[in-house]
Amino acid sequence: ETGVTQTPRHLVMGMTNKKSLKCEQHLGHNAMYWYKQSAKKPLELMFVYNFKEQTENNSVPSRFSPECPNSSHLFLHLHTLQPEDSALYLCASSPHGAGEVGEQYFGPGTRLTVT
Amino acid sequence: GQNIDQPTEMTATEGAIVQINCTYQTSGFNGLFWYQQHAGEAPTFLSYNVLDGLEEKGRFSSFLSRSKGYSYLLLKELQMKDSASYLCAVRDSNYQLIWGAGTKLIIKP
Repeated sequence: ETGVTQTPRHLVMGMTNKKSLKCEQHLGHNAMYWYKQSAKKPLELMFVYNFKEQTENNSVPSRFSPECPNSSHLFLHLHTLQPEDSALYLCASSPHGAGEVGEQYFGPGTRLTVT
Repeated sequence: GQNIDQPTEMTATEGAIVQINCTYQTSGFNGLFWYQQHAGEAPTFLSYNVLDGLEEKGRFSSFLSRSKGYSYLLLKELQMKDSASYLCAVRDSNYQLIWGAGTKLIIKP
């Protein structure tokens, strides 16, 4: 399989549930990202990992917890979410290094609904 | 603050040309990207500009003026499959991407 894959594609969860989103990239990239996309709003960067190390955390609530066990896999652990967290969660990866344009390659996203 | 502005929605006719504008105010500049996103799908990379001028890629071209904080994406010979949202993003001095809200392009026969 090639590109960036995400599972599950759709998730409905209650506010007291705990769930995890998974992202896998098969592109040999060393930077991975989690984004939140809400209708008619700009993409919101949540977390960035470079070479498995978290380099950015844009003031994301602690109910979202990322994990990057290796440069190909990224998880987003969810617990006690709020209805306003319902959105499309996108994972992306990019090459990182001198001379690289650094364009990001996105997975298909997980459509999350919090009830 | 950092800001990217682009029109919310545009309509064009199949076979025609359309220009989608993007203006930006960011802390530093390290390149501007255009992405295409079809409804229900992931954004896909279209173009990258870091120097002033026009970059052409088939039916799509992207222009940048750093002094004006301005870019446009030009789509020629429009096809129905070009109906999508077009996202403008600028990489700032911290190498973070700042995203616009996207322009929804509707193509009519």
